Amino acid sequence: QKEVEQNSGPLSVPEGAIASLNCTYSDRGSQSFFWYRQYSGKSPELIMFIYSNGDKEDGRFTAQLNKASQYVSLLIRDSQPSDSATYLCAVNTGFQKLVFGTGTRLLVSP
Amino acid sequence: DGGITQSPKYLFRKEGQNVTLSCEQNLNHDAMYWYRQDPGQGLRLIYYSQIVNDFQKGDIAEGYSVSREKKESFPLTVTSAQKNPTAFYLCASSTGTRPNTGELFFGEGSRLTVL
Repeated sequence: QKEVEQNSGPLSVPEGAIASLNCTYSDRGSQSFFWYRQYSGKSPELIMFIYSNGDKEDGRFTAQLNKASQYVSLLIRDSQPSDSATYLCAVNTGFQKLVFGTGTRLLVSP
Repeated sequence: DGGITQSPKYLFRKEGQNVTLSCEQNLNHDAMYWYRQDPGQGLRLIYYSQIVNDFQKGDIAEGYSVSREKKESFPLTVTSAQKNPTAFYLCASSTGTRPNTGELFFGEGSRLTVL
């Protein structure tokens, strides 16, 4: 079982819709969780991080964490074509290094 | 502006040659990392360093070497022993302080192609 799993996609949504991206992880001791956005050919940039169970909102983005079920999700409201990118889920297992999923490719059509 | 600088951005290498990728940061971060990304794949950890003059192997260290002689610098050498070196290489840093958030700051990457 991979440590961090994501559906590779692509996830296609129309402009203005809500995009829902999901990630599961295997290490119950994981402490912090990150969502990075990566445009093609570019380096990842941090979108959200979350440590506690529940929801965390930042503008159009909401991160959701459920440690009991070992999943973390990212909701993007009012999706825009500029949101089209690959979204990487990353998990900090407590050893000062992040483990990344393979990413979900999001396509937002005008 | 603070940040991480990687060079070169693009590099071509013949088989059997060693190459060194540069990574410099002026964020005063203690921890630095090298990741490799292949097409359609996530990031895989090559090496990381939490403090000067110390570093640890990541998940795919074979065929690579690093040094950490200065806090600001963490160069990666891709040796001829690396069987499939063509990839996108990303350097990152983090504060490394407790509580460790784990947030990584990335450089722009170096794309290595073996001819």
